[in-house]
Amino acid sequence: SQKIEQNSEALNIQEGKTATLTCNYTNYSPAYLQWYRQDPGRGPVFLLLIRENEKEKRKERLKVTFDTTLKQSLFHITASQPADSATYLCAPSGSARQLTFGSGTQLTVLP
Amino acid sequence: EAGVAQSPRYKIIEKRQSVAFWCNPISGHATLYWYQQILGQGPKLLIQFQNNGVVDDSQLPKDRFSAERLKGVDSTLKIQPAKLEDSAVYLCASSPTGTGYNEQFFGPGTRLTVL
Repeated sequence: SQKIEQNSEALNIQEGKTATLTCNYTNYSPAYLQWYRQDPGRGPVFLLLIRENEKEKRKERLKVTFDTTLKQSLFHITASQPADSATYLCAPSGSARQLTFGSGTQLTVLP
Repeated sequence: EAGVAQSPRYKIIEKRQSVAFWCNPISGHATLYWYQQILGQGPKLLIQFQNNGVVDDSQLPKDRFSAERLKGVDSTLKIQPAKLEDSAVYLCASSPTGTGYNEQFFGPGTRLTVL
């Protein structure tokens, strides 16, 4: 069955450092993958989309990579700030352009 | 642009009772999704509508859950009767189309507690 794994534990980093979040998937080949941010008590908010033929995508301080051979996506936040503290969800696409969400990685940026 | 609206925001019921959630998607968005998010997990798709037709409801527990999207706009999700394990946040999302790579826009969710 399809499986998505994100960093198994919460991630704590110091302000100004680069946060790297991992998303691994098995038993399928998504055409694209999306990353979302979710704050407590709120719905997820879209951040970035990367297609299977793209190696890397950037948006301001965010960078996403997509390695279809390793079946892995990495999500980087450079120059991290306390306001970046949230849960980050990866969501590879499935059939009918649906998304399957991972369980998320809780990131805390310490001042 | 107004976002996805959901109501109520919170609901507490006893097991075996029924409950309904309402969603108003972003104007013009053809695709509407209902997700269930259990604490500590990612959102799990329950049902996807394209306009007022069902695209996928394979993960909807049809013995107790039902959903409809009248006139291809608003949608309601109903649980009858509720079980303890239905305690979760129910998220509604919409996207302009279900045939592209479009991002999904989520509402704030309804937190359901079943006692």
